[in-house]
Amino acid sequence: GQNIDQPTEMTATEGAIVQINCTYQTSGFNGLFWYQQHAGEAPTFLSYNVLDGLEEKGRFSSFLSRSKGYSYLLLKELQMKDSASYLCAVRDRSTGFQKLVFGTGTRLLVSP
Amino acid sequence: DVKVTQSSRYLVKRTGEKVFLECVQDMDHENMFWYRQDPGLGLRLIYFSYDVKMKEKGDIPEGYSVSREKKERFSLILESASTNQTSMYLCASSFREGLGTDTQYFGPGTRLTVL
Repeated sequence: GQNIDQPTEMTATEGAIVQINCTYQTSGFNGLFWYQQHAGEAPTFLSYNVLDGLEEKGRFSSFLSRSKGYSYLLLKELQMKDSASYLCAVRDRSTGFQKLVFGTGTRLLVSP
Repeated sequence: DVKVTQSSRYLVKRTGEKVFLECVQDMDHENMFWYRQDPGLGLRLIYFSYDVKMKEKGDIPEGYSVSREKKERFSLILESASTNQTSMYLCASSFREGLGTDTQYFGPGTRLTVL
């Protein structure tokens, strides 16, 4: 089976750094995605990791440790517009088809 | 830019009605997906399709069916809507799932209310 855990909600201040953690258990891991979803909108792609290590993209970075079943999304220099839900998703191939399994999302609230 | 469109943003139907949700993508993607999103449960996969006329059950297919007659269009059908199918429905597409950073692109969603 698959299990993905991430915190339900986090708060942070404008200009600060926040780290959103994601742990997963899957028998057919083939990559991990982070998506951003603003209220009432579609999820949009932020980052992808398949090998261990850190991927940096501007203010956002994502880290993966496959041996620990662990990832985090790091957001630097927080802005008000970063208030959104952040979805961790694992690409799983254990059933023979590649599909994404999503966590329940972490709602981030950035305050002034 | 990839564009995934869904036929309605908001829909209200009555219990027992047959409901069609339409999704169209304009990037010649092979794979298309239907999810529902509920508070505290996240995105759950209902059905997906990796080719025209092909379909595979996701994690929660009960009460739903799908149709993919053309590559760009993937329809979700609720044969007899029930109140527990009130949800946000999201369609997504990807070029060829499983290749590196090939990501899924999502439509804006349809918020369905079944009374």
